[in-house]
Amino acid sequence: KAGVTQTPRYLIKTRGQQVTLSCSPISGHRSVSWYQQTPGQGLQFLFEYFSETQRNKGNFPGRFSGRQFSNSRSEMNVSTLELGDSALYLCASSTRLAGVSDTQYFGPGTRLTVL
Amino acid sequence: QQQVKQSPQSLIVQKGGISIINCAYENTAFDYFPWYQQFPGKGPALLIAIRPDVSEKKEGRFTISFNKSAKQFSLHIMDSQPGDSATYFCAASGGIKAAGNKLTFGGGTRVLVKP
Repeated sequence: KAGVTQTPRYLIKTRGQQVTLSCSPISGHRSVSWYQQTPGQGLQFLFEYFSETQRNKGNFPGRFSGRQFSNSRSEMNVSTLELGDSALYLCASSTRLAGVSDTQYFGPGTRLTVL
Repeated sequence: QQQVKQSPQSLIVQKGGISIINCAYENTAFDYFPWYQQFPGKGPALLIAIRPDVSEKKEGRFTISFNKSAKQFSLHIMDSQPGDSATYFCAASGGIKAAGNKLTFGGGTRVLVKP
């Protein structure tokens, strides 16, 4: 089975711009979660999508948003970019069994640099 | 608020030695405790995971020990190899259904195995 894929792998943007990142989960996985990784804050949960609905959200401003499509692929959008948004954005997929915390498999990430 | 505390931040071990990384959590509703390994430029890869009904789980050279009463769990890497040099993250998830799949990560431990 192919793993989680993320595109693009690298992005350079300037302050004030917006960006969209894409994630394709492992075949058969219906849950997609997004995480931000920075040297200072570590790995932080952004949000989770399951069956095209946001199921859980972390403590990030409204500039961070996402969506999921009927084929389980997900996109994450960051508007009005700030320097502090520079990070590795990771996508993880899982089967999301009902009522059970299950294994999440991570993609390689998208490295976003905001200048 | 950091709910999973990981120590040490870095670790140097000789080839063939044992690497031990410890984590402590606060939320007693957590019911799934995975460990991830991350190499530079890559996404985290699942190493091994445990649920609180088991006190120890071993997979190859990797062992998780879990102490529910102390709210602590640890990773032991036996016969450490230079290829094990990476950053290791403990994580936890569970609780109310809405938060069930949200991973809360420890701060990470950078392990260097000297040949």
